[in-house]
Amino acid sequence: QKEVEQNSGPLSVPEGAIASLNCTYSDRGSQSFFWYRQYSGKSPELIMSIYSNGDKEDGRFTAQLNKASQYVSLLIRDSQPSDSATYLCAASGGTYKYIFGTGTRLKVLA
Amino acid sequence: DVKVTQSSRYLVKRTGEKVFLECVQDMDHENMFWYRQDPGLGLRLIYFSYDVKMKEKGDIPEGYSVSREKKERFSLILESASTNQTSMYLCASSWLAESTDTQYFGPGTRLTVL
Repeated sequence: QKEVEQNSGPLSVPEGAIASLNCTYSDRGSQSFFWYRQYSGKSPELIMSIYSNGDKEDGRFTAQLNKASQYVSLLIRDSQPSDSATYLCAASGGTYKYIFGTGTRLKVLA
Repeated sequence: DVKVTQSSRYLVKRTGEKVFLECVQDMDHENMFWYRQDPGLGLRLIYFSYDVKMKEKGDIPEGYSVSREKKERFSLILESASTNQTSMYLCASSWLAESTDTQYFGPGTRLTVL
């Protein structure tokens, strides 16, 4: 069974701090990784995608991928209360199918 | 901007009813997907389609069927709704026939079966 694991949280960080969200995956054949943000009652929206080992930065967001350790992370710098949401990690292994984690709930405290 | 729309945001149906959920995308995407999302279980793939009239079962197809007669439209059908099908249903679409392409989600339909 291919799995993507995330800590459900909630992860609480003060406003302005760095939030670190982590994800591990079981399928070594996974090639593509995605982070989605989902506000309560809304649908997921893409924040970042990453395909190669290393870091990828986009504004306040940095995705990190380590295929040897089967580990993906998302860093949010200067966290804002508006970042409070559930963050979904997804992995895909060269087919149409994504495997989603169950999400980490982030709370940014003002 | 990619736009994926779903026919209803909220739907209440009775056990045994036939239910149609419709999804439309406006970006000429080849791939379309139906998921359901339940607390603690995450997003689970019900069916997907990679071309008109083509469909493949996902992880939990039991109790569901789909139809894709036109490229932009993908329908999910609950032949005889049951209470355990109460859930949030999310449609998504993507362009390329590769997993590296982003899936874009519609706003979701929260279905309650009484």
